[in-house]
Parts: sequence; C-alpha cells; structure tokens
Amino acid sequence: LAKTTQPISMDSYEGQEVNITCSHNNIATNDYITWYQQFPSQGPRFIIQGYKTKVTNEVASLFIPADRKSSTLSLPRVSLSDTAVYYCLVGGGYQKVTFGTGTKLQVIP
Amino acid sequence: NAGVMQNPRHLVRRRGQEARLRCSPMKGHSHVYWYRQLPEEGLKFMVYLQKENIIDESGMPKERFSAEFPKEGPSILRIQQVVRGDSAAYFCASSPGTSGSRGPETQYFGPGTRLLVL
Repeated sequence: LAKTTQPISMDSYEGQEVNITCSHNNIATNDYITWYQQFPSQGPRFIIQGYKTKVTNEVASLFIPADRKSSTLSLPRVSLSDTAVYYCLVGGGYQKVTFGTGTKLQVIP
Repeated sequence: NAGVMQNPRHLVRRRGQEARLRCSPMKGHSHVYWYRQLPEEGLKFMVYLQKENIIDESGMPKERFSAEFPKEGPSILRIQQVVRGDSAAYFCASSPGTSGSRGPETQYFGPGTRLLVL
C-alpha cells in the first residue's frame, strides 16, 4: 500500500478556500486517491475519490497532477463546521485502506 | 436506510475481563472492517471480513483478539483478558462489496465504541 504524507495541522479563517496537499510518491497504477473527514467522537466520512486530473462534488474538489505523486483536496469557503481531521488514503480495488494521522484543520471565526 | 450501527457506544471493563463489540453493517452491505483509534492518532486497520469469512486480519494482534461476521447477525470484535492498552475507540465500517468496483469501495463508518479498561 502506498504511503501518504500530509501536513499535521492547518488553520484557516472562515470563508477562505483551503487546500490540503497529500504526497504519495509510490502510488501504484491501479491505486485511487480517497479523502475522508472525521469530526471529534465520530467515525470518518467519505468526501471524495479520484484517479487522475480533477474531480468535483458538492463538498470538495480533488486535483491530481499527471504524475499522480500528490493530490490536493480543495474545500471552498470553509465554515466553522469544517473543523475536522482530513485523511488522504491511497489504494485500489477491495484492498483495505490505511489511515495515516491526517491533517487537523482548524477554522477560525 | 439506517447507517452502520455499533453497540455499545461506551464500554468499561476491568483488566482481565472480556469485551465484545458489535457492529451491524448498512443494509445490503456484505463487507465489514474494524479499526482501532488511540487518542490523537489515526485509525489503524485491524480486520476485514465478508459474511462467514475473514479476508484480511493482518492488523489484528495475534493474541486475545478475534472477529467474526456470521451469516446472520452482527459482526463481533472480541477482546479477551483486556489490558489497559486496549483502551481506545473501535470503529466498524461496511461497504457494499459490489463486483467491478474500480476504486476502493466507499466505507461507511459507525459511531464507534469507546472502550475503557480500568
């Protein structure tokens, strides 16, 4: 399974766009990139998944460059309720996904 | 459609007792995963099960821990002779197990069981 590296923490003001970058230098050809969000005392929740280029849904966008060695989760206009830990995962098929320590995002009023 | 259910939500045990954690997957889901999370840490994979089969238990401690997902009923994570180091949040997740999925299936997580060993 590809190892991921992401910042331990980030701060942002309300209303700003937040970009969280994840490095995965040894990503395999059949690996996908998935992001989860976890609030305190809750289980993680799926945000977005992609393989290459750009994926967008109602919550976030995911940018993946051509070499796929990194990816960036973009959260538009964050609010206080977006304060959470964000996990970047890499894997394919039915493989178990491995959660790292994630990025703790603190949104400031 | 109810989400993933876990019970109990909180469990207190004394050292040496047994802990049984239950997980009911989402309706129609045939894959179950168990994770353990220590305070301020990420989730650690423990075991991946399908109905009546253990697919991957590489994250499970070799002793005292066992898991099952019977044909009928919830998945059970069992910890025998608990020690203080077992205190953690245990999360269960489920996925549909749909064939032909090109990427990892989205895992739907339960609220977790917080185990405290005194």
